[in-house]
Amino acid sequence: EAAVTQSPRSKVAVTGGKVTLSCHQTNNHDYMYWYRQDTGHGLRLIHYSYVADSTEKGDIPDGYKASRPSQENFSLILELASLSQTAVYFCASSEEGGYAEQFFGPGTRLTVL
Amino acid sequence: GDSVTQMQGQVTLSEDDFLFINCTYSTTWYPTLFWYVQYPGEGPQLLLKVTTANNKGISRGFEATYDKRTTSFHLQKASVQESDSAVYYCVLEPSPNMGYKLTFGTGTSLLVDP
Repeated sequence: EAAVTQSPRSKVAVTGGKVTLSCHQTNNHDYMYWYRQDTGHGLRLIHYSYVADSTEKGDIPDGYKASRPSQENFSLILELASLSQTAVYFCASSEEGGYAEQFFGPGTRLTVL
Repeated sequence: GDSVTQMQGQVTLSEDDFLFINCTYSTTWYPTLFWYVQYPGEGPQLLLKVTTANNKGISRGFEATYDKRTTSFHLQKASVQESDSAVYYCVLEPSPNMGYKLTFGTGTSLLVDP
């Protein structure tokens, strides 16, 4: 069974609206990550966390917030969604940081109109 | 800053063809390198990892070779199948002062015609 799940799998949002993407892992991993995937850019790190109740900025944090209320759950929040945030978003977890293998969820396709 | 480069955006092959995907990296140290594969509709998954100690990795019929002299990390497979159609990412481990951030290349999309 899937160890990293994301919800929703697909979402259409309006410009200026609030969007929350959720991620849940059963790997018992301390590290969790949010990535954005765009054609021509590969995967870019938005936020990550290595312990509950704490989050860190990645490479492209502007316009995004993150929340890690527990070891298992990690959310990505778009307070004011914009057209440029249309993308596929992936959550991942890993046992350690550094070169530990990351386990990805199936992704959430977000379209902002 | 540290980076990985995949110049091949898309590769189209026929079944049983030889696959070669090129990746180059730019760092100030000798990193551990990875290939992640993303099948349609799924998230990426680790295909193989190569450290500076062993220089070569093999998994599921794929082989990756790490060349420090040319700062390259190529992925190859002798005979591809339609099921190998996916996006392949060359990935760099975090730099010593960058904590936990993997650096992904832009990906090479492989399409294998039956």
